Amino acid sequence: AQKITQTQPGMFVQEKEAVTLDCTYDTSDQSYGLFWYKQPSSGEMIFLIYQGSYDEQNATEGRYSLNFQKARKSANLVISASQLGDSAMYFCAMRDTGNQFYFGTGTSLTVIP
Amino acid sequence: SQTIHQWPATLVQPVGSPLSLECTVEGTSNPNLYWYRQAAGRGLQLLFYSVGIGQISSEVPQNLSASRPQDRQFILSSKKLLLSDSGFYLCAWRPGLATDTQYFGPGTRLTVL
Repeated sequence: AQKITQTQPGMFVQEKEAVTLDCTYDTSDQSYGLFWYKQPSSGEMIFLIYQGSYDEQNATEGRYSLNFQKARKSANLVISASQLGDSAMYFCAMRDTGNQFYFGTGTSLTVIP
Repeated sequence: SQTIHQWPATLVQPVGSPLSLECTVEGTSNPNLYWYRQAAGRGLQLLFYSVGIGQISSEVPQNLSASRPQDRQFILSSKKLLLSDSGFYLCAWRPGLATDTQYFGPGTRLTVL
């Protein structure tokens, strides 16, 4: 069964606007971690943000925030004030209790000037 | 600060030839190390991970193997490459089991002809 689902293969956003990238996950573990990575055309995976399953507050890192809804098993990434440099692939990932990591298939974000 | 290196950056190899990709981490000790493969336009597939020297766990049984001869060195090998081995290979490290976040190297783009 797929552990991480990203249903948006491609997204467009106007520069300076906010955008939400969706991610749902599947686990029966109580302890797990959720991540978002950015992959520009160069290929390198850049860590953006982390949310632990026991964290009660949504994680934030600068313009990135993770909208964590535990009951719905969703971990959406919100990028505020989009910039042209935000154009890239974005991957949602999960670490389960067994310390295995699972990645979604990614969302391609294009920021339009 | 910690850095992760991968080489070579790109590689073109004929079918049936051997493979050796190297990953090294600087500025840390006893890292957990991971090899992932990313097919074109796809998410990441975990191939191997290691929690210490000589300790390798395989996630996907294939014609690939991994070794960890030194604490901060992780090598991905194959005796005979297949066309299906083409892809983008990413090495990642994690400070330890108490820390969730993985950090990725720049990747190796392998084309098997």
